Amino acid sequence: DVKVTQSSRYLVKRTGEKVFLECVQDMDHENMFWYRQDPGLGLRLIYFSYDVKMKEKGDIPEGYSVSREKKERFSLILESASTNQTSMYLCASSLGGRTGELFFGEGSRLTVL
Amino acid sequence: GESVGLHLPTLSVQEGDNSIINCAYSNSASDYFIWYKQESGKGPQFIIDIRSNMDKRQGQRVTVLLNKTVKHLSLQIAATQPGDSAVYFCAEAENFGNEKLTFGTGTRLTIIP
Repeated sequence: DVKVTQSSRYLVKRTGEKVFLECVQDMDHENMFWYRQDPGLGLRLIYFSYDVKMKEKGDIPEGYSVSREKKERFSLILESASTNQTSMYLCASSLGGRTGELFFGEGSRLTVL
Repeated sequence: GESVGLHLPTLSVQEGDNSIINCAYSNSASDYFIWYKQESGKGPQFIIDIRSNMDKRQGQRVTVLLNKTVKHLSLQIAATQPGDSAVYFCAEAENFGNEKLTFGTGTRLTIIP
């Protein structure tokens, strides 16, 4: 089974702090994604990556950056956390060129005080 | 039970009954549609997909219907079970194999014992 692991399930940070959310997948998938999930808004794409060292902006990239130095790892970075970034963050991976079947991690709930 | 119109937030169905979850999409260029299920505390999980050259596709206890004329997608779950209680998301992409998905806001399905 594909496993997507997000390193932290719950984080509490202060405004202005730098935050790293880590995601690792174990199935050699080419594609990796970061979404945020908010009640009533569904899942919104922040950034995605089709290959190592490659990244593309999603629908809401402002205030975020990403890093993909290795195929299995995709990091989401909040350079200076703000309260409006309090949310559930979901990482996903998929095999390139296949169906829209994304494999999601269990999520990281971030609270920014 | 049946939800109609736009993506409603909640739907309650008696155990054993059939349920229908509806989704309206706005992008007429969307060519590929997927349903995901998200159980409490977990990431979304792929259920079934359909391409725009089809109007119906069946899986195990689930059927997806697509009406491109009115830009409407539905997920039918037969003989609902307690384990079907979850939030269901529709998602769309402009072409098959493009994993950059746009998600709907979700419908919470509750199965009443």
